[in-house]
Amino acid sequence: GENVEQHPSTLSVQEGDSAVIKCTYSDSASNYFPWYKQELGKGPQLIIDIRSNVGEKKDQRIAVTLNKTAKHFSLHITETQPEDSAVYFCAASRSGGGADGLTFGKGTHLIIQP
Amino acid sequence: DVKVTQSSRYLVKRTGEKVFLECVQDMDHENMFWYRQDPGLGLRLIYFSYDVKMKEKGDIPEGYSVSREKKERFSLILESASTNQTSMYLCASSFYISNYGYTFGSGTRLTVV
Repeated sequence: GENVEQHPSTLSVQEGDSAVIKCTYSDSASNYFPWYKQELGKGPQLIIDIRSNVGEKKDQRIAVTLNKTAKHFSLHITETQPEDSAVYFCAASRSGGGADGLTFGKGTHLIIQP
Repeated sequence: DVKVTQSSRYLVKRTGEKVFLECVQDMDHENMFWYRQDPGLGLRLIYFSYDVKMKEKGDIPEGYSVSREKKERFSLILESASTNQTSMYLCASSFYISNYGYTFGSGTRLTVV
């Protein structure tokens, strides 16, 4: 089955700086890569996703890049703000997650220092 | 907005009890999922269902079962609760041909004593 590795487990950055979280996956047939943000006391919430037919996707301060050859994808957050503090999870799936579940990384605790 | 509602926010149960965790979604999603979340281990898939009365084992089904009698409701059952099942349990739902990821509930924190 799929295996997703995520690094780092904890990331502390100064407010206004950029943050990068990296994931690798093992199944070359995976084609859907979402990122989730989990705030304290809440369930994970989808913030951005990318499919294997594109290499990069942006949404305001958030971007995701995908390198299919190397089987890794990354989340980039620019101009970080206090509300970005949360746990972030990457995930991978063959089927868009629709029919067989997503495989998640172990999470990155992002801390934004004032 | 899609809502996934988990019936209990916190539960404390005794070892050996039969425990039911309930999840309801209101957007007519075909797929429903149960994950458990543990520190340092991330989210691990227990069971999922892509239709009424259908169920599929995930990565860690041992000690659990599920029930899906109605499309909107997916129940996780701990047949005989044990202390190693103390965890955060997250329910999620999506369309069968899912192009938009999952919607998660807020979770149920279960403590087995």
